[in-house]
Amino acid sequence: EPEVTQTPSHQVTQMGQEVILRCVPISNHLYFYWYRQILGQKVEFLVSFYNNEISEKSEIFDDQFSVERPDGSNFTLKIRSTKLEDSAMYFCASRRTGGNTEAFFGQGTRLTVV
Amino acid sequence: DQQVKQNSPSLSVQEGRISILNCDYTNSMFDYFLWYKKYPAEGPTFLISISSIKDKNEDGRFTVFLNKSAKHLSLHIVPSQPGDSAVYFCAANSGGSNYKLTFGKGTLLTVNP
Repeated sequence: EPEVTQTPSHQVTQMGQEVILRCVPISNHLYFYWYRQILGQKVEFLVSFYNNEISEKSEIFDDQFSVERPDGSNFTLKIRSTKLEDSAMYFCASRRTGGNTEAFFGQGTRLTVV
Repeated sequence: DQQVKQNSPSLSVQEGRISILNCDYTNSMFDYFLWYKKYPAEGPTFLISISSIKDKNEDGRFTVFLNKSAKHLSLHIVPSQPGDSAVYFCAANSGGSNYKLTFGKGTLLTVNP
């Protein structure tokens, strides 16, 4: 069964460092998302991506964040200068269409900023 | 702003009984609702969904009910099994061009043997 895969599963980084979280969405999906979940809190939307551009971003997704789909299969989230409060589980998700379909989530990357 | 609310942070039921998880929403533009199940250290897994044109959708042991006038939906699991123990998230689709999902805070379901 096709699945969304994320790497790495756990990333520890020093405050101020850049991190890139990687995702391989399901191959025939067209809509891509990043969400995050801070420990004990709800799953929060960060950004949606369609047709090679950002279609919506939340207020969390400030200038420190960027996304890219560099080669038609990978979908990356970059945080330029990490802060302690960026520590969270980051989930990538993809959807086949934009209609009433479910989003499939990856296993997540646990980012710890020290 | 909490557009999707799950007011019960936890629920405990006995194996074999019914589990009822509740969700309320405020945005009348939501047109598609989903339930996800999440185990620790894993991503959310899709469970069941319902379109706003329906009031019930059933899939095996899982049934979702939608009451649009009350802006309320519920997930019924019957019979509940210990393997159902997980955090359940209600999510709503806001339509538009990006089809962003907005999640509730989740309810931790514990099914006791």
